[in-house]
Amino acid sequence: DQQVKQNSPSLSVQEGRISILNCDYTNSMFDYFLWYKKYPAEGPTFLISISSIKDKNEDGRFTVFLNKSAKHLSLHIVPSQPGDSAVYFCAASFYNFNKFYFGSGTKLNVKP
Amino acid sequence: EPEVTQTPSHQVTQMGQEVILRCVPISNHLYFYWYRQILGQKVEFLVSFYNNEISEKSEIFDDQFSVERPDGSNFTLKIRSTKLEDSAMYFCASSDRDLSPVGYFGPGTRLTVL
Repeated sequence: DQQVKQNSPSLSVQEGRISILNCDYTNSMFDYFLWYKKYPAEGPTFLISISSIKDKNEDGRFTVFLNKSAKHLSLHIVPSQPGDSAVYFCAASFYNFNKFYFGSGTKLNVKP
Repeated sequence: EPEVTQTPSHQVTQMGQEVILRCVPISNHLYFYWYRQILGQKVEFLVSFYNNEISEKSEIFDDQFSVERPDGSNFTLKIRSTKLEDSAMYFCASSDRDLSPVGYFGPGTRLTVL
């Protein structure tokens, strides 16, 4: 099941700069996309989401962009902070929301 | 802020034994899920549950697995005869899809099968 892919296993960014995490998907029927943040030994924490009818959603320092034609979404964190260091998962769902398809995660390291 | 809770945080069991993982979803949520993450791998869907029925299940969720909502607050995952490959972090999630499709996850139960 490779419907959601995160091709970068890790990303290192300097504090104060922008972090851009990328996610690709294969199924154009996905209706909803989410980003989760996960610390070791904890459950995924919801960060931000976007419906397929939109192309951008913003919440404070976090912005998610959706490019449906490219089947690509990205999460921008500006400015990045050391506390943002975690593994970030993108996830996708169909209209019935019976399940979320997760990517493999990108480990973000924000250096002070 | 309401949160999903899970017990125990860590369960060690012998292969072939039955385990029950417990979850208390957020109180006004009606949709419940179990996911798992084997060390170093992606988060995998196991099952979703609504109105006392399974809504969807994955290939992983075979006859050895079952879910139950025994009362108004708990949501359990039972593995009847554990295998070594069942060792993983098991996450419970809940959502109120009528308001928001976001799934809120618990902290997880680490299951170790020896």
